[in-house]
Amino acid sequence: EIVMTQSPATLSVSPGERATLSCRASQSVSSNLAWYQQKPGQAPRLLIYGASTRATGIPARFSGSGSGTEFTLTISSLQSEDFAVYYCQQYNNWPLGGTFGGGTKVEIK
Amino acid sequence: EVQLVETGGGLIQPGGSLRLSCAASGFTVSSNYMSWVRQAPGKGLEWVSVIYSGGSTYYADSVKGRFTISRDNSKNTLYLQMNSLRAEDTAVYYCASTVIAVAGAYYFDYWGQGTLVTVSS
Repeated sequence: EIVMTQSPATLSVSPGERATLSCRASQSVSSNLAWYQQKPGQAPRLLIYGASTRATGIPARFSGSGSGTEFTLTISSLQSEDFAVYYCQQYNNWPLGGTFGGGTKVEIK
Repeated sequence: EVQLVETGGGLIQPGGSLRLSCAASGFTVSSNYMSWVRQAPGKGLEWVSVIYSGGSTYYADSVKGRFTISRDNSKNTLYLQMNSLRAEDTAVYYCASTVIAVAGAYYFDYWGQGTLVTVSS
């Protein structure tokens, strides 16, 4: 099973600053990588799929990049509503539902 | 607007059974692939099961033989029948519409708000 490792575990950022989140796969997942945002008490929300394609309604300040084993989610200018936990998920390989990373919490600095 | 609303969670003793429901609006369950994904308290996300539009079903190894996914097309509702529950099944259970990638695995584009299942004596 592919292991997804996210770093850092916690990222402290001031509003308006850029946030860069990393996700590493234990083996290549091509571009079959999704990013989700989860706020406390809420369901995850799909942000990015195909490593770099924004989902419907996702603001342009969210961007994804990478392929193979190294991926990045960038939030260009953090807004108050962006403070949340972010998960990456590979869907290139077994199990059918893919595997998720442990998450990065983006908190207010 | 797509809305998915889960119900049916609660406190159940180990070995017990529970059925979760996910009612959909703005969206046709039978025309889409639908999954259950769970999240243990303070933990990450784990895919549990999927049902294809054609009716095929698949399960994570951790629940195979104990959980059954189904749907009622007339009610536009997805279900998860959970039997022989264990403490490690304690989690918030989300239903989610599912996209199958070319590679064959899934990602999830719309999610419900979740329902908490607690397995404890």
